[in-house]
Amino acid sequence: GENVEQHPSTLSVQEGDSAVIKCTYSDSASNYFPWYKQELGKGPQLIIDIRSNVGEKKDQRIAVTLNKTAKHFSLHITETQPEDSAVYFCAFRSNDYKLSFGAGTTVTVRA
Amino acid sequence: GAVVSQHPSWVICKSGTSVKIECRSLDFQATTMFWYRQFPKQSLMLMATSNEGSKATYEQGVEKDKFLINHASLTLSTLTVTSAHPEDSSFYICSASGGAYVEQYFGPGTRLTVT
Repeated sequence: GENVEQHPSTLSVQEGDSAVIKCTYSDSASNYFPWYKQELGKGPQLIIDIRSNVGEKKDQRIAVTLNKTAKHFSLHITETQPEDSAVYFCAFRSNDYKLSFGAGTTVTVRA
Repeated sequence: GAVVSQHPSWVICKSGTSVKIECRSLDFQATTMFWYRQFPKQSLMLMATSNEGSKATYEQGVEKDKFLINHASLTLSTLTVTSAHPEDSSFYICSASGGAYVEQYFGPGTRLTVT
């Protein structure tokens, strides 16, 4: 399948600070970019997504930016809270409707 | 949002037996369901894609005779792990899309342990 690189692999932030996770993809045909949050022992939860015709999308404390020219997209979490601690996965979808996932980022919010 | 359930949430079976995992879309008709496997501290690996009423499409390296997938209705897909071995122990997660939902929504996962 297609590759997507996700950085960093781990991220520790102080409560109230911001967290940023970046992903880079290779397939220029990619048109849909979701972000998932996975808590321990649970399935991934879709938290935000963006389509290729939009450069930025925001939902309360969460925002995603997309740079199609550079083929990268980022997740921004502001005013982090302890309940934001989880593993976050970026993904992208190409024309075959399958999702390709990044390796994941373990986010720890320190109280 | 869309709700996807899985049953059972965890199962322990003996080596050589078969295990069936169910995936249901509770509030929408899922024309497409996906099955993933996730090992500890790793990302999700797509095993197969199934469309309602047709045969599943398996990813390279996934044995279709070992992982039987049935998508008989728009709300139910099943994954049967046949002749399970300890190396099949993993977290199996399904996702569904369809109807008003182009996005993939995931179930809570099933933890399979083969002894």
